[in-house]
Order: sequence, then structure tokens, then C-alpha cells
Amino acid sequence: DGGITQSPKYLFRKEGQNVTLSCEQNLNHDAMYWYRQDPGQGLRLIYYSQIVNDFQKGDIAEGYSVSREKKESFPLTVTSAQKNPTAFYLCASSIRQTPITQYFGPGTRLTVL
Amino acid sequence: RKEVEQDPGPFNVPEGATVAFNCTYSNSASQSFFWYRQDCRKEPKLLMSVYSSGNEDGRFTAQLNRASQYISLLIRDSKLSDSATYLCVVNPSPGGYQKVTFGTGTKLQVIP
Repeated sequence: DGGITQSPKYLFRKEGQNVTLSCEQNLNHDAMYWYRQDPGQGLRLIYYSQIVNDFQKGDIAEGYSVSREKKESFPLTVTSAQKNPTAFYLCASSIRQTPITQYFGPGTRLTVL
Repeated sequence: RKEVEQDPGPFNVPEGATVAFNCTYSNSASQSFFWYRQDCRKEPKLLMSVYSSGNEDGRFTAQLNRASQYISLLIRDSKLSDSATYLCVVNPSPGGYQKVTFGTGTKLQVIP
């Protein structure tokens, strides 16, 4: 089945530790995205990538880093520089042409203790 | 003014009722519009695109009003399973990647 997978579903980390969230898609989509969602708020774009080996900062990139070495994979690292990392993280993918219809993975709920 | 604004609700409606949500957007150059549905603690899922002429999918009708810069979602004969948060999504401009903007969502609770 085609789709997007994220792992793990729940993640707990101690303050000051870096953590990497996984996102894999087999939809053959060129573009991939990372969003953060906080309670009562909309989705905020962290990073996006339109093609392999290229990515751009979104609205809230500070404290995060990404890589795009393969078309299928777009991991997100939450670094210790992110001041408030506890959130629901969503990965999405789409074709590059507009209109951009995004398909989301199931999300990773990160809690920093 | 926010780029995309939605009434957060919650909208509490009885089963069988008709309910409508609006979403306003600020960028008049916006080209593409969507409604997504998000269940509690789950990922958003595409509900329907919104076409200029309006479109219908079963009990759901989406409409676009470019003059007033809003889109709407109408749900007829509400079911308990319609309870969710509905997100309005706007693509600003055509041609290459442009930022996709999400509204904060409208929460719907259908009551037995």
C-alpha cells in the first residue's frame, strides 16, 4: 500500500537531548514537508523539500534540522536549541505541481521531560 | 489580519442537522483551496478540493466566493461520525512551490 509512515508514534526525551523523527513515503512524491501542531493551533511549517538534496526553511525552522538524501525519506532532528519542543509533529508529501494536495503521515507526538 | 481564518467553534449540532463553516483568506492571489478533516490526535486527511464553480461530494458541499475571499463547507444530514476538526487550506499562487497555509480549524461535535 502507498503511504507515509512516521515513527515512532510517541517519543519521550529529556531536555537537552537531540532527537530525530523519521518520515518515509512510497508515493513517489518529490515534495515533502514537516509541520508542528500545538493544541488549539493550526499547522506551522518547519521545513520543506521539493527535491532530493534540497530543502528550505519554513516559518519556524529555528532549533530544527533536516536532510533529504533520498526521495523517500525526510528525517527531522529536534535539537536542544528548540526552546519548546513538546508538540505533535506531522510529515506530509505531495507532487510538486500546484494545486498542492498534501498527504500526511500519522504523526509523532514528542514529549520533552 | 491572519492569512487564513476560521471560527474555532465548537459547533455542537444534533444528528441530522445541516451545518456550515466559513473560512476567510487574505491573499487575493490564492489559487487553490481545500478542506481537510482531522480527528482527535490524528493526522489531517483531505476531505475535498474547492472548485470555483462549487462542488459536492455526497452530503458535503464546498463553495468559493472570490469576491469576498472566503470558502465554505456545508454538511447536510450530520452523522455522529462527522465529529472532527475541519481545516481550511489555501495555496497562495500558482507556479512552483508556494506556501500552503492552514487555518486553525473548526471543531464540529455532532450530538445524538
